[in-house]
Amino acid sequence: EDKVVQSPLSLVVHEGDTVTLNCSYEVTNFRSLLWYKQEKKAPTFLFMLTSSGIEKKSGRLSSILDKKELSSILNITATQTGDSAIYLCAVKGGTSYGKLTFGQGTILTVHP
Amino acid sequence: NAGVTQTPKFQVLKTGQSMTLQCAQDMNHNSMYWYRQDPGMGLRLIYYSASEGTTDKGEVPNGYNVSRLNKREFSLRLESAAPSQTSVYFCASSPRGGRGQKASGSDWCTFGSGTRLTVV
Repeated sequence: EDKVVQSPLSLVVHEGDTVTLNCSYEVTNFRSLLWYKQEKKAPTFLFMLTSSGIEKKSGRLSSILDKKELSSILNITATQTGDSAIYLCAVKGGTSYGKLTFGQGTILTVHP
Repeated sequence: NAGVTQTPKFQVLKTGQSMTLQCAQDMNHNSMYWYRQDPGMGLRLIYYSASEGTTDKGEVPNGYNVSRLNKREFSLRLESAAPSQTSVYFCASSPRGGRGQKASGSDWCTFGSGTRLTVV
C-alpha cells in the first residue's frame, strides 16, 4: 500500500522567515510527486516532480525530489501572510490508474 | 471555464438518511475521484473511476457507492449515513488514467470546491 508522510504537521512562523516542508513516501513504481496548497477550499496545484524533473521553482516557492531518499522538500522563502495554508504532498504510483495518495498535510501559519 | 463542479456545498443529514453528492467536470478528463478530508488525515481516496464505465475502490470505500454516469459525471452515494461520515468531500479529475502512460504535466488532479457534510 502506498504511503506518504509529511512533517512537520504544523508550523508557525513570522513574515520574512524561510520554511522547509518535508514529504517522504513509499510507493510501488513511482511516477510523480505533487505538491498542493489548500486555503479555504479546494487544493490547488503547485508543482509536479518526476524522475526527469526533480527540481521546480516558481517565485518564492521551490521543490526538490530526492529519489534515492524517497523524499521531497518544499521551500518557501520570505514568507507572507498569504502563504498561510495547508500544504499537501501526494504521490502517484504506476500500478494504479492515476490515483494520488496524499500525506496528512502541513498546516503553515505566517504571522505579520 | 467551470472545471470541476460539486453539489451541494453543504449538507446536514440525520443518521440513516441517504444522499447523493454530484460531481461534473467539463475538461474532458478521463479519470475522476472522490476523496474525503478529515482533520490531521490529509485526503483519503474513497472511490475512483479510471475511465468511463469503470470504478474501483480506494482506501476508505465502506459505506459508499459510486456511479460514473458518463465521461463528465461521477456521483457518490451514502446509502445510510453515519456520524463517522461527517467530513469534507472533494471530487477531482485528471486527464490520464491508463496504466503504462508516462508521467506528464497533465498528471495532476483538479479539485472541486468541496461538500461539507455533517451527519447528526
